Amino acid sequence: GQNIDQPTEMTATEGAIVQINCTYQTSGFNGLFWYQQHAGEAPTFLSYNVLDGLEEKGRFSSFLSRSKGYSYLLLKELQMKDSASYLCAVSTDSWGKLQFGAGTQVVVTP
Amino acid sequence: ETGVTQTPRHLVMGMTNKKSLKCEQHLGHNAMYWYKQSAKKPLELMFVYNFKEQTENNSVPSRFSPECPNSSHLFLHLHTLQPEDSALYLCASSPGTSKTGELFFGEGSRLTVL
Repeated sequence: GQNIDQPTEMTATEGAIVQINCTYQTSGFNGLFWYQQHAGEAPTFLSYNVLDGLEEKGRFSSFLSRSKGYSYLLLKELQMKDSASYLCAVSTDSWGKLQFGAGTQVVVTP
Repeated sequence: ETGVTQTPRHLVMGMTNKKSLKCEQHLGHNAMYWYKQSAKKPLELMFVYNFKEQTENNSVPSRFSPECPNSSHLFLHLHTLQPEDSALYLCASSPGTSKTGELFFGEGSRLTVL
């Protein structure tokens, strides 16, 4: 079966760094996505990894190890607006069929 | 502003009512999806449409009935729902032919079944 695991909640202070881990076991793999979802809003795309290694985009970076079935999302220089749920999702085909983890609620404190 | 629009944003219905959720995408995409999001649970894929044809029904109860009249519009018809069907229903679209399969989400329809 499909299994995507990530921590339920993480708390960090403004200006700090937080790393959200995601492990997965899926029947197919066409890349791994990270989405951000603020309360009451649509999930929005943050990053996509299909090859091993680190992808950096401003304050956010995402890492993938396909052999280990592991990814992380790194949030640097945390801001209050980064308080949100972060969803790890694995694409199992090229048409957008994504399997999601339950999401990690990140709480940024002053 | 999202390229995927869902209406209504909030819906309260009784178990005997019939209602519909509507989704419209303005991105020229070929694939559309319904996902269910319940508190503390992963997004659950319900239905997939590629070029207006249903390509996936993820064992969804028949009280949920999707309709896709064209590549830009997607409906979810609801009847005789149960209180446990209360959730956020998210519509999404994707190009259908891209290498990444990135999804673009609407803001969701919050459904409460009394």
